[in-house]
Amino acid sequence: DQQVKQNSPSLSVQEGRISILNCDYTNSMFDYFLWYKKYPAEGPTFLISISSIKDKNEDGRFTVFLNKSAKHLSLHIVPSQPGDSAVYFCAASDPGTYKYIFGTGTRLKVLA
Amino acid sequence: DAGITQSPRHKVTETGTPVTLRCHQTENHRYMYWYRQDPGHGLRLIHYSYGVKDTDKGEVSDGYSVSRSKTEDFLLTLESATSSQTSVYFCATSGGDSYEQYFGPGTRLTVT
Repeated sequence: DQQVKQNSPSLSVQEGRISILNCDYTNSMFDYFLWYKKYPAEGPTFLISISSIKDKNEDGRFTVFLNKSAKHLSLHIVPSQPGDSAVYFCAASDPGTYKYIFGTGTRLKVLA
Repeated sequence: DAGITQSPRHKVTETGTPVTLRCHQTENHRYMYWYRQDPGHGLRLIHYSYGVKDTDKGEVSDGYSVSRSKTEDFLLTLESATSSQTSVYFCATSGGDSYEQYFGPGTRLTVT
C-alpha cells in the first residue's frame, strides 16, 4: 500500500511558466515532508521541506504548500527553467523514527 | 555536500552469487540508509542504521542484509542475488539534527 503517492508520472511546462508537482499521503501522523530533485545518473538532492505545523515554506523559486486536511502537498516552481528538468520525489517522515517514505516521482520537463 | 561514496558504481553478477555494496561517508552522520530505485516504484527503503551495530528493516528487506561496524561504513549484502534485485541502489545519510538526507551517487546492479 503506497502511503505517499505522486499520481503524475510526468509533466511538461514551458520555460518561464509555473510548474506544480503534487503529492498525496495517507498517514495523518506524518510530521515532516521533503522534496528531492534527481538528475539522471546522480543521487537525489534535497530541495525544500515543510513541517506539519506549517502550511507553506518558500525558498527562492521553490514553494511547498501543505494541506493537512486533504493530506496533500504541492511543490511550485516559478519561473520554471530548463535546468529544473529532472525527476522530483516527495518524501514523508515516519513519525518517531528517522525513516522516510518516498513517492514514485514525477519527471518534469521544462521546454525552452 | 556530504561526502558519500558508493562502491562499486556498476556491477554485473550472476544469479545465485553473493554481492556486497559499500557505502562510505565522511560526515560522521549517525543515520545511514539503503534504498533501491525501480521504475514505477520510486525509492524504497531496504534497511537503515541508527548507529554502529544498530540496524532495522525497511519495506523491501527480504533477500538483503546489512552491517555497520564503523560510523562511516554501511554494507549491503545480497546473500544470493536474483534477477528481481536488478536495480539502482542508493545510500543516504542523515545527521539527525535535521530531516534532510544526503544521497550517494548510486550503484547500478544487474543480475543476469
